[in-house]
Amino acid sequence: EVVLTQSPGTLSLSPGDTVTLSCRASQTLSGDFLAWYQQKPGQAPRLLIYGVSSRATDIPDKFSGSGSGTDFTLTISRLDPEDFAVYYCQHHGASPYSFGQGTKLEIK
Amino acid sequence: QIQLVQSGAEVKKPGSSVRVSCEASGDTFSNFVISWVRQAPRQGPEWMGAIIAMFGTSIYAQNFKGRVTITADKSTSTVYMDLSSLKSDDTAVYYCARVPPGWRTGGWYFDFWGRGTLVTVSS
Repeated sequence: EVVLTQSPGTLSLSPGDTVTLSCRASQTLSGDFLAWYQQKPGQAPRLLIYGVSSRATDIPDKFSGSGSGTDFTLTISRLDPEDFAVYYCQHHGASPYSFGQGTKLEIK
Repeated sequence: QIQLVQSGAEVKKPGSSVRVSCEASGDTFSNFVISWVRQAPRQGPEWMGAIIAMFGTSIYAQNFKGRVTITADKSTSTVYMDLSSLKSDDTAVYYCARVPPGWRTGGWYFDFWGRGTLVTVSS
């Protein structure tokens, strides 16, 4: 089973900042099978990125994903107030389709 | 537009079972691959299993094998998740989520989600 470790657990930032979130896999992911989700309180996760770097429908280009092997990142440019949320990565190549524990972006 | 409508909150006793439903619309039901993902308080999501409606085939995460059963009723476009032998740490929000077309090669990520069903296990 692939274990995904996200760091840091919480980030305090200001609107307008650019941030890079990290997701490290316990083993090399074969293929580009890494997704990112955004979750706000009381809501279901929202798909942002799949296949490491492909944006989901209606996701603005301020969200970008990259990486390979065991190290993956999500970059969010020019943070808006609505971007402050929890972000999860997910391995989507093979069962079990594991998630990371999340990184929370909070307003400084 | 794809929509997944889940059943309401449940309160259960330890040792009992729970059934959560998910009605799918917006596409031909046989095209759906529906997963169940749960999220305990202040935890990350956890994939439990899924059903491929076209084949009626279910697969389960090892952590839940023997306790979870996922079925589908094509006549009502509804997927069911049954979880048995409930414990207090099964208290969580349970989501159904769609795996998009192209899953045979693109892997299983989740593009549409239900609103979630809170299951509370308490004596």
